[in-house]
Amino acid sequence: DAGVIQSPRHEVTEMGQEVTLRCKPISGHNSLFWYRQTMMRGLELLIYFNNNVPIDDSGMPEDRFSAKMPNASFSTLKIQPSEPRDSAVYFCASTPNRAQEKLFFGSGTQLSVL
Amino acid sequence: ILNVEQSPQSLHVQEGDSTNFTCSFPSSNFYALHWYRWETAKSPEALFVMTLNGDEKKKGRISATLNTKEGYSYLYIKGSQPEDSATYLCAFRGGANNLFFGTGTRLTVIP
Repeated sequence: DAGVIQSPRHEVTEMGQEVTLRCKPISGHNSLFWYRQTMMRGLELLIYFNNNVPIDDSGMPEDRFSAKMPNASFSTLKIQPSEPRDSAVYFCASTPNRAQEKLFFGSGTQLSVL
Repeated sequence: ILNVEQSPQSLHVQEGDSTNFTCSFPSSNFYALHWYRWETAKSPEALFVMTLNGDEKKKGRISATLNTKEGYSYLYIKGSQPEDSATYLCAFRGGANNLFFGTGTRLTVIP
């Protein structure tokens, strides 16, 4: 298995533009998590899905952020409009649907909003 | 959002020294405690997942203990090597299945 696949690896955009980050979880994993890593707050949980259903989105910073999981093999995190303070590394992770199981992380998307 | 704290924030040790870090977490609604190793420019990789009070896990020179009643876990590295240099993250899983990470302990092993 190729692991969790995220794209793009790097994204540079201008303030006000729409940004879409993509994630393909490991096949057979039922839970998917989006995290944001910043210097100040470390790894913050934004949202997680279980069986494609959003379970907890309380970590999503504001209405500019939205996430979808239309099927078991694909999820997107969208920021519209983007702002410079959104600049961070965004990680996607997946796990089988059991709490004892470890997370498998993607390689992350480095987002820079100018 | 739950409070997961790690100490120290950063640590420098000499090659060959043994070291340990602390993770503290809420003692209620405990489900699991994870430890991850995060090397610069890579993704976090799981070291241990512990679920029972008193659990001890070991992987080579790295081991971890768990006390769910008082809400802490220790990670130990015996005979540190330069390749152990990384940020070590702990993460708490409560009943809601969320996984909340601490801010990590950044370890630098000096050759």
